[in-house]
Amino acid sequence: SQTIHQWPATLVQPVGSPLSLECTVEGTSNPNLYWYRQAAGRGLQLLFYSVGIGQISSEVPQNLSASRPQDRQFILSSKKLLLSDSGFYLCAWTVQGNTEAFFGQGTRLTVV
Amino acid sequence: QQQVKQSPQSLIVQKGGIPIINCAYENTAFDYFPWYQQFPGKGPALLIAIRPDVSEKKEGRFTISFNKSAKQFSLHIMDSQPGDSATYFCAASMRDSSYKLIFGSGTRLLVRP
Repeated sequence: SQTIHQWPATLVQPVGSPLSLECTVEGTSNPNLYWYRQAAGRGLQLLFYSVGIGQISSEVPQNLSASRPQDRQFILSSKKLLLSDSGFYLCAWTVQGNTEAFFGQGTRLTVV
Repeated sequence: QQQVKQSPQSLIVQKGGIPIINCAYENTAFDYFPWYQQFPGKGPALLIAIRPDVSEKKEGRFTISFNKSAKQFSLHIMDSQPGDSATYFCAASMRDSSYKLIFGSGTRLLVRP
């Protein structure tokens, strides 16, 4: 069966520090991968998606970047965190050609 | 055009009641409408989904009603239980290469015992 792993679960980082969040999917090949951010009490905002290795689409301009170095690995990064980068970051995946999306358990990022 | 508007923001019902959450969209290219349930500190989980070729879909105590002409869809929870207390999100996507989901702003549901 397919599973999605996201880590770390929580992270407290100072302003100006770098960020790297990792997401991996098991049990499937060539998935579509997504990074969402959820501000406290708010909806889910799509940040990036990828339909293949090295293919990244950005939905909103921001202080973050994404990379997909391997088929089932999706990384969210920042060179210098801002206070406004705080939030709940969620990775998700779909099977190519399928609309059902499955989410990881999320990373709670607090920038202090 | 890409937005999905969800209401209400929060909802309180008694056990056994039927909470109804509504969503509306503008983009007629959307062709897949899922609902997700999220518990605090967890990722959203797919609850039920519908495509615009049907007007209603039922899975257990959860029902989606879909009105294509009005561009609206809603979630009904029959015989609601305290364990249903969670945040519910509607979403929409279109059949392109990304299959990305556009989410509503969420409804926080509290079911009182």
